[in-house]
Amino acid sequence: SQQGEEDPQALSIQEGENATMNCSYKTSINNLQWYRQNSGRGLVHLILIRSNEREKHSGRLRVTLDTSKKSSSLLITASRAADTASYFCATGGWGGADGLTFGKGTHLIIQP
Amino acid sequence: DAGVIQSPRHEVTEMGQEVTLRCKLISGHNSLFWYRQTMMRGLELLIYFNNNVPIDDSGMPEDRFSAKMPNASFSTLKIQPSEPRDSAVYFCASSLSREQPQHFGDGTRLSIL
Repeated sequence: SQQGEEDPQALSIQEGENATMNCSYKTSINNLQWYRQNSGRGLVHLILIRSNEREKHSGRLRVTLDTSKKSSSLLITASRAADTASYFCATGGWGGADGLTFGKGTHLIIQP
Repeated sequence: DAGVIQSPRHEVTEMGQEVTLRCKLISGHNSLFWYRQTMMRGLELLIYFNNNVPIDDSGMPEDRFSAKMPNASFSTLKIQPSEPRDSAVYFCASSLSREQPQHFGDGTRLSIL
């Protein structure tokens, strides 16, 4: 069963705009991760936020976590055509050692 | 720096045939995960290993599916006999330790006719 549910399922924006994707989950977590998947490729880890953190930044990425609402958001600022991909949130045990449960993803299209 | 390597990239076979998917972990990683991705069910964890030992195989759909780690750097996922509903993209991923992200291969696209 899916732990995370991303919203929206698809998002199309113009290059240079910001993209925001949301994720909701059902059970208690130790951390939440975001991954990107380009068409025909495997997933690539973007960022991990721990349950005691509320916000984390990495380059053009900003992730927030609200454990009271069981939700997270991923913000990509100043989007580029190369950001076109599917984005997944994932929950698991201690990050790398336990299997991850993924949402169904947000398909992001950046229009040049 | 070689990533996780999966083979074959594509496999088309008839139902009832045995299928073997292969995965080479990143050197030094000690956790190995097999996932399956379909449009209907998304990404599902099938099984994972720590230090060559299977830890959780509750995601393996049926006894037709089996996974092994004959050594620390290699794993196989076998389906015997295969069925059309097994058609999916199968990913393996490895990680160095807890608190480290999982590194995915590019998957095997499996089609069972």
